[in-house]
Amino acid sequence: DVKVTQSSRYLVKRTGEKVFLECVQDMDHENMFWYRQDPGLGLRLIYFSYDVKMKEKGDIPEGYSVSREKKERFSLILESASTNQTSMYLCASSLGANTEAFFGQGTRLTVV
Amino acid sequence: QKEVEQNSGPLSVPEGAIASLNCTYSDRVSQSFFWYRQYSGKSPELIMSIYSNGDKEDGRFTAQLNKASQYVSLLIRDSQPSDSATYLCAVGGGGGADGLTFGKGTHLIIQP
Repeated sequence: DVKVTQSSRYLVKRTGEKVFLECVQDMDHENMFWYRQDPGLGLRLIYFSYDVKMKEKGDIPEGYSVSREKKERFSLILESASTNQTSMYLCASSLGANTEAFFGQGTRLTVV
Repeated sequence: QKEVEQNSGPLSVPEGAIASLNCTYSDRVSQSFFWYRQYSGKSPELIMSIYSNGDKEDGRFTAQLNKASQYVSLLIRDSQPSDSATYLCAVGGGGGADGLTFGKGTHLIIQP
């Protein structure tokens, strides 16, 4: 079974802090994605990566950056956390860009 | 802009009945279609994939695809209270590297 693991299930951070969300997958998938999910807005793509060290902006990249130094790991960075970044963050991986995606358990981030 | 549309619901179905969930998509060149189930506070879980026109059955679930009408549906037979969740439709294959396009989901409630 594909396993996608996110480093934290719940996080509480203060405004202005730098926040790191880590995601690791164990199926040698080429593609990895970061989404945020908010009530009524669905899944929104923040950043994605189709290869090591490659990254592309999604629909809402402002205030975020990413890092993919190894194939299995994709990190999301909130440079200076703000209250409007309070959300559920979901990492996913897939073998191809348009094949089934597998999600991690999600990180519920609260910025106070 | 690729779009996937779903009725947000809630869709209320009596226990034991058939639940029918629908999805339309805008990108005519889409090639892959998926249904995810998401329980409240949890991450999406893949339950069905379909790639060609017609029906695909897996246990109590049947996915139906009509590419000419750009329409995907999910039928759940003998609905159980444990089927109560939000169901996300996802579409891929439009040529981009940004992964699947997700609908906002339909909230399904199975009434005992």
